[in-house]
Amino acid sequence: DIQMTQSPSSLSASVGDRVTITCRASQSIRNYLNWYQQKPREAPKLLISSASNLQSGVPSRFGGSGSGTDFTLTISSLQPEDFATYFCQQSYSPPPYTFGQGTKLEIK
Amino acid sequence: QVQLQQWGAGLLKPSETLTLTCAVSGGPFSGFFWSWVRQTPGKGLEWIGEINHRGSTVYNPSLERRVTISVDTSRNQVSLKLASLTAADAAIYFCARRLPMLPGYFDYWGQGTLVTVSS
Repeated sequence: DIQMTQSPSSLSASVGDRVTITCRASQSIRNYLNWYQQKPREAPKLLISSASNLQSGVPSRFGGSGSGTDFTLTISSLQPEDFATYFCQQSYSPPPYTFGQGTKLEIK
Repeated sequence: QVQLQQWGAGLLKPSETLTLTCAVSGGPFSGFFWSWVRQTPGKGLEWIGEINHRGSTVYNPSLERRVTISVDTSRNQVSLKLASLTAADAAIYFCARRLPMLPGYFDYWGQGTLVTVSS
């Protein structure tokens, strides 16, 4: 199985800050990396597919980059509604599809 | 708007079988894979398996011996059965739609079902 490792596991930041979350794959997954946002008691929500494709309706302050094994999710200017947990997920290999362990973004 | 509505028993005893159902509405049923994913504080998000409208299944090898996913195309529903439950199977279980081709993301999710395993 391809292992996905996110860092940091938690992050404290303030409204208006720029934050970056990193996801590393245990082997190359080309650009088949997706990012999700999850708020308490809700299902994950797809933000970005194929490493950098912003989903319809997702604010442009969210951005993704990377290929191969190293990927980043950047939020350019944090808004109050962005405090949540973020997960990466690879869809390159044959199943099982695997997720990162999550990064909890908290208000400083 | 695509909606996934799931239901099933949330409190089970060790050795029992979990059964959850997910009904799809507001969009096409064929042409996608319908996955089950579970979430625990310790292991995070774990993909369990999936099925398409033809009944083709793929399972996570770590759960394959105990998992059965089935489809009812007349009702646009998919079901999950997980046998021989232990405390380690306690989790929030989600159904989700997955694109069958790359990039293969999960774009719609059910609301989640909390499953507790306790004697």
